[in-house]
Amino acid sequence: RKEVEQDPGPFNVPEGATVAFNCTYSNSASQSFFWYRQDCRKEPKLLMSVYSSGNEDGRFTAQLNRASQYISLLIRDSKLSDSATYLCVVNEGYNNNDMRFGAGTRLTVKP
Amino acid sequence: GAVVSQHPSWVICKSGTSVKIECRSLDFQATTMFWYRQFPKQSLMLMATSNEGSKATYEQGVEKDKFLINHASLTLSTLTVTSAHPEDSSFYICSAHGGGSTNSPLHFGNGTRLTVT
Repeated sequence: RKEVEQDPGPFNVPEGATVAFNCTYSNSASQSFFWYRQDCRKEPKLLMSVYSSGNEDGRFTAQLNRASQYISLLIRDSKLSDSATYLCVVNEGYNNNDMRFGAGTRLTVKP
Repeated sequence: GAVVSQHPSWVICKSGTSVKIECRSLDFQATTMFWYRQFPKQSLMLMATSNEGSKATYEQGVEKDKFLINHASLTLSTLTVTSAHPEDSSFYICSAHGGGSTNSPLHFGNGTRLTVT
């Protein structure tokens, strides 16, 4: 079983749609959680950290479910510019090399 | 916010030559930096963890004699691809924890696209 699993997609949605991605992790002791966005041929960029109580940043909402060991990302009112690959990143522990990456979920928003 | 700079952004070299990639933390100190490789339409693959003042830790299957890592200061790590071959052509990215804590987010360099002819 992979340490961090994401549905690879692709998710193809129309502009204005709401879309949600899940990411499951295997290590229950994982410490911190993040969503990154990666555009084609570019480096990943931090979209948002995921807090225990859930957090929102504009059209983006992140949730953490420790009991079921998953995090989610909800995008409301999708824009064409949201088209990218969304990476789930989990820090399993306190050591520097404990970051685990999901394979990414590809989103395409169409007009 | 934390900025990680990587240079060069792209490089084309001939088979058999060596290529050095630099990764700098611009506004923070990074005792640890990470090097990744990403092939087209695939996920990031961690190659090694670069430790300031000590040897790098390589992931299984990554040749340490081929991918030389030097982390000589708190703001600079270098990755040298030695005797490059076409199969080494890839997107190489570095990262570091921006807040100095391992629970802080990773910040990535802009990546280096290596093409070996």
